[in-house]
Amino acid sequence: GAVVSQHPSRVICKSGTSVKIECRSLDFQATTMFWYRQFPKQSLMLMATSNEGSKATYEQGVEKDKFLINHASLTLSTLTVTSAHPEDSSFYICSARATGVPKNIQYFGAGTRLSVL
Amino acid sequence: GENVEQHPSTLSVQEGDSAVIKCTYSDSASNYFPWYKQELGKGPQLIIDIRSNVGEKKDQRIAVTLNKTAKHFSLHITETQPEDSAVYFCAASIYNNDMRFGAGTRLTVKP
Repeated sequence: GAVVSQHPSRVICKSGTSVKIECRSLDFQATTMFWYRQFPKQSLMLMATSNEGSKATYEQGVEKDKFLINHASLTLSTLTVTSAHPEDSSFYICSARATGVPKNIQYFGAGTRLSVL
Repeated sequence: GENVEQHPSTLSVQEGDSAVIKCTYSDSASNYFPWYKQELGKGPQLIIDIRSNVGEKKDQRIAVTLNKTAKHFSLHITETQPEDSAVYFCAASIYNNDMRFGAGTRLTVKP
């Protein structure tokens, strides 16, 4: 299947700093990328949908100024957690949806575990 | 919007037995139903999917069935192995819309 690379896999930072997470589709072009947050033993919670070249669409309750998303190319989307606080500690996962046929299929990155001290 | 319910939340089977996980969805317009396997500390991996024009799909030990009338779909794993132990998520989506996930099923296969 298609490969989505997410980096870093783990990050530990001090409260108040910003953290950038990268999501790349390695062998396909992705018009749309998604960012999810997952708490322990829970399902994936969609945070935002990003389309290449346009502003991201955020789910209700997700602060767009807190979680900055940039989708500058068909193979790269970034999530920046600004002024991170301990409550932002979580597992963040990106996914990319391939353009072309077949549609709908989403491939996931390996996730980034963020720990804010 | 779409609502996906998944059962059971945990499932424990003996190696070699079969495992069945069931999901229901609310939006009759949903036409794509993937299943993902997530191992501890990793991202979900697509293991099988089915579209609304098909009732059943099989890939080796894994099969998925879809009942559009009842709006439910199921994952069947036969001859389970310890490496099948993971959390499984079902999902549903309408063409090119975002995907909604079930709450997940933690499958444990005992050797």
